[in-house]
Formats: sequence, structure tokens, C-alpha cells
Amino acid sequence: EVQLMESGGGLVQPGGSLSLSCSASGFTFNRFALHWVRQGPGKGLEYVSAIDHEGRNVYYAESVRGRFTMTRDNSKNTVHLQMSSLTTDDTAVYFCAKVVDGGYALWGQGTTVTVSS
Amino acid sequence: DVVMTQSPVYLPVSPGQPASIFCRSSEGLADRDGVTFFNWYQQRPGQSPRRLIYKISNRDSGVPDRFSGSGSGTDFTLRISSVEAGDAGVYFCTQGTHWPYTFGQGTKLEIK
Repeated sequence: EVQLMESGGGLVQPGGSLSLSCSASGFTFNRFALHWVRQGPGKGLEYVSAIDHEGRNVYYAESVRGRFTMTRDNSKNTVHLQMSSLTTDDTAVYFCAKVVDGGYALWGQGTTVTVSS
Repeated sequence: DVVMTQSPVYLPVSPGQPASIFCRSSEGLADRDGVTFFNWYQQRPGQSPRRLIYKISNRDSGVPDRFSGSGSGTDFTLRISSVEAGDAGVYFCTQGTHWPYTFGQGTKLEIK
């Protein structure tokens, strides 16, 4: 089955860190760029970070640059998002998504990150 | 960043009736090769988003032909020819031509 599955979400205090993972199956993982996209409570969707198919180029939204690090392991069909210096504004459901034709052709089910004291 | 503005924000529609959702971008979305990376997504309550349309008018696999996309430049439209109960949810437009990818704020489709 073609799917993406996120994990690692949870409750963290402001200023804390959390690491998310996204595991892929059912497609040739190392041929596709992947993005992290988040959706805050009652909010729309926001691009967070992107990584190309080889993992050589990584991009970040201005709101997370310097605090988040995205990596991928093509041998394990997995991408990671290391998040630090978290604030309440980072509270959201985090989705990983496969990029095809300039859009998100496949989404995971999402993992919830709650930043609260 | 390219701003994507959708209208209406809320769209109540009776089953069997058509529906249209509009999206306007703050910049043209055709790239230097003339390809326009514009997409429509559906997010049903409690679910992840699902892409319906890519490159303006191409339906993703499994998307009913009741859904169609059109437009060019900065103005785009999603049409549902005959709304069904399962179409309830929020619809988003996005662009992938200019970096970073950006989203519209969403249109909530409610079935009357």
C-alpha cells in the first residue's frame, strides 16, 4: 500500500525539543521530494520544510528556520523533523507529504504536536 | 510569498446542486516553461487533505469526474457539477510554482 506514516508527536513545554519521523512505503522513496506541512488548531495549512529526493537540498519556512532540521534516510525510507526552541505557535498537526507535479500527491495521517506549559 | 485568496469562505450547497470555489494568486503561476503548478485539495472532517486536481485541471487518480478545475494566470476555479453528501469538508488551493509553496485559507463546503 502506498502510504506515509508520521510519528513522534506529543506534549512538550515551551523551549523544548521534539523529533518527528515519517515512514514511507509502496513507492520508490528516493525518487521524490518530501515536505512537512502543519495545520494549527482551527487554522489553515502551512508549509514547514522541504527536502529534495537525495537529501542534498533542504528548505525551511521563515517561521522555523534555525530551529527545525529536516533530514532523510533513503536506506530506511524515512524523513525526520528535529524541532527545537518550540513555542506555542508551533502547536499543530504535522503532516509529511510526497511532492508530485508541484503539489502534494500523498499525505500521511498526521502527528499532533502540542507546546504548552 | 505568493498569497492565495479563496472565495467564498463558506459555501452551503444542497445535494445535486453545482458548486464553485475560486482562488486568486497574488502573482502569475506559470513557470518559465509555461507550466502552472496549481492544485486543489479536499479535507474531510477528521481526515488528512487529499489532492483532487493538479496543474490546474488534471484530476488525481480516483477523483470523480464531478470535480473539475480551470483557470490560468492568477485566477482559478474548482467546480463540482453535482454535490454529494460525501463532498462536505474544507477545500484548499495551493501553488507550487513559486517558492515556498503557499495555501489558500480554505473554503468550507457544507451540505444543506
